Amino acid sequence: QKEVEQNSGPLSVPEGAIASLNCTYSDRGSQSFFWYRQYSGKSPELIMFIYSNGDKEDGRFTAQLNKASQYVSLLIRDSQPSDSATYLCAVALPGGGNKLTFGTGTQLKVEL
Amino acid sequence: DAGITQSPRHKVTETGTPVTLRCHQTENHRYMYWYRQDPGHGLRLIHYSYGVKDTDKGEVSDGYSVSRSKTEDFLLTLESATSSQTSVYFCAISGRAGGQEDTQYFGPGTRLTVL
Repeated sequence: QKEVEQNSGPLSVPEGAIASLNCTYSDRGSQSFFWYRQYSGKSPELIMFIYSNGDKEDGRFTAQLNKASQYVSLLIRDSQPSDSATYLCAVALPGGGNKLTFGTGTQLKVEL
Repeated sequence: DAGITQSPRHKVTETGTPVTLRCHQTENHRYMYWYRQDPGHGLRLIHYSYGVKDTDKGEVSDGYSVSRSKTEDFLLTLESATSSQTSVYFCAISGRAGGQEDTQYFGPGTRLTVL
């Protein structure tokens, strides 16, 4: 079982819709969770981090964490074509070194 | 980009030659990381550093070595490059004093091709 799993997609949503991206992780001791956006040919860019169960909102983005079910999700409201990218979920596993384990990413396509 | 540069940005080399990639930061972050990114595998940690001269192995460290003689520089060396090391290499930093220690910021990447 992979430590961090994401559906590779592509996930296609129409412009203006809500995009929902999901991620599951295997280590119950994980404490910190991150979402990165990566455009083709570019480096990952931090969107949000979340540490506590529940929702965290930042503009059009909402991260949701459920530690009991070991999943973290990212909602993008009012999706725009510029949101088309690959979204990487990352989890800080216990053990020190501030190391992150990444999922393989979900490709999102926002269609006009 | 959190003040991170990587050099070179692109490199083509031949099998068996040594290659060194450089990561330079101006943010005084304590931790530095080297990842490789390949289709179907995502980002995988090669080595990381938690301070000057303090380094440790990551998930895919075979064939790679690192050095950190100054806070701002983290070097990744392929002693004898192989075609399986063709990849995009990203440097990341974390651990800014007073900030979230585990939040990583990425450099622009280096595309390495080994022929």
